[in-house]
Amino acid sequence: KAGVTQTPRYLIKTRGQQVTLSCSPISGHRSVSWYQQTPGQGLQFLFEYFSETQRNKGNFPGRFSGRQFSNSRSEMNVSTLELGDSALYLCASSPVGQVNTEAFFGQGTRLTVV
Amino acid sequence: AQSVAQPEDQVNVAEGNPLTVKCTYSVSGNPYLFWYVQYPNRGLQFLLKYITGDNLVKGSYGFEAEFNKSQTSFHLKKPSALVSDSALYFCASYSSASKIIFGSGTRLSIRP
Repeated sequence: KAGVTQTPRYLIKTRGQQVTLSCSPISGHRSVSWYQQTPGQGLQFLFEYFSETQRNKGNFPGRFSGRQFSNSRSEMNVSTLELGDSALYLCASSPVGQVNTEAFFGQGTRLTVV
Repeated sequence: AQSVAQPEDQVNVAEGNPLTVKCTYSVSGNPYLFWYVQYPNRGLQFLLKYITGDNLVKGSYGFEAEFNKSQTSFHLKKPSALVSDSALYFCASYSSASKIIFGSGTRLSIRP
């Protein structure tokens, strides 16, 4: 069974640009969550999608958005990039996103904003 | 608000010695607690979880964790450390369905 796939693995963007990151969950998983990992802030929850609907959202500005397609693949978009958006962005999937179920993480997309 | 704390940024252990990585939690209701490990330039991998039942939970790679309700702790342990255990370890809990709250992480370094 293929794991969670995130593309691209590495990305360099300029301030003010926008970026789209992609996540393909494990086959059959309907819940996809996104996390930002930085040395200073640690792992922070961005949002979670389940059956194409945003079910939960973290405390990030509106520049961060996402969506989920009917095949459960998800994309995350960041507009008007800032230097502070440089981070490792992790995607995680689980069958239905229940509180007693572990999440499966992709390898992440390393975003560098210059 | 629910929170998870890892009081140690770094833990250093000699190979072959037992290791402990500490975690305390503050959650409302039943705690659902997890440990994940992250190797360099990789995503997180699930190690073990406590949902209910026995306070001692066994997981992957010989790791185990002890749930202590009175001390609100969920420490990760291994009887004999390996150099390959060197990684970043995260304790986590669910704030609500699918929203994982992570501790700040503990870097475990095992010296040969």
